[in-house]
Amino acid sequence: QQQVKQSPQSLIVQKGGISIINCAYENTAFDYFPWYQQFPGKGPALLIAIRPDVSEKKEGRFTISFNKSAKQFSLHIMDSQPGDSATYFCAASIGNAGNMLTFGGGTRLMVKP
Amino acid sequence: GAVVSQHPSRVICKSGTSVKIECRSLDFQATTMFWYRQFPKQSLMLMATSNEGSKATYEQGVEKDKFLINHASLTLSTLTVTSAHPEDSSFYICSAGSLAGHEQFFGPGTRLTVL
Repeated sequence: QQQVKQSPQSLIVQKGGISIINCAYENTAFDYFPWYQQFPGKGPALLIAIRPDVSEKKEGRFTISFNKSAKQFSLHIMDSQPGDSATYFCAASIGNAGNMLTFGGGTRLMVKP
Repeated sequence: GAVVSQHPSRVICKSGTSVKIECRSLDFQATTMFWYRQFPKQSLMLMATSNEGSKATYEQGVEKDKFLINHASLTLSTLTVTSAHPEDSSFYICSAGSLAGHEQFFGPGTRLTVL
């Protein structure tokens, strides 16, 4: 059972545009929602994360929007750059870092110059 | 941020041989480490959860006798792929959770190719 659903699978955005990736979860016990960025041949790197007690978190060009009632969260990349071209994974977990992450299926983002 | 290393980064071996992959947390203590495998253009699939000083917990469908995990210290976990076969070829990634919070830090991955 896929507990975290991510869309779209792939996304093409022009340089300077806004990239939006969405995730939906089923388990209401999840209380930590990170986003990871992965370049080909590399491990995932934590980009930004949110807890369900806030509806939005912004770090530079990256913003997470969180809708607890809808059980959805999204990543917005403002002023997208070619260097942002990568695969992005949303994830969710319960409790502390000793607990497993449940990953979404990933979104391959290509930012065209 | 916290750093997790993996060694080797790439390995090519013959079918039937065993391969050991090391995962180290370089600047923090990790009571729990996770091992994932990732096929091309797919998401990460959790293989097992490794706790220091105890037996690993394997996900359903993962053969524990084939994928041996040892977590001997708070900074080192190893994954041994025993009697590797071509279908074991994949990208193996570890992650480590710090005692301090929610974050998990991922290693750079190991590309295993079994001929």
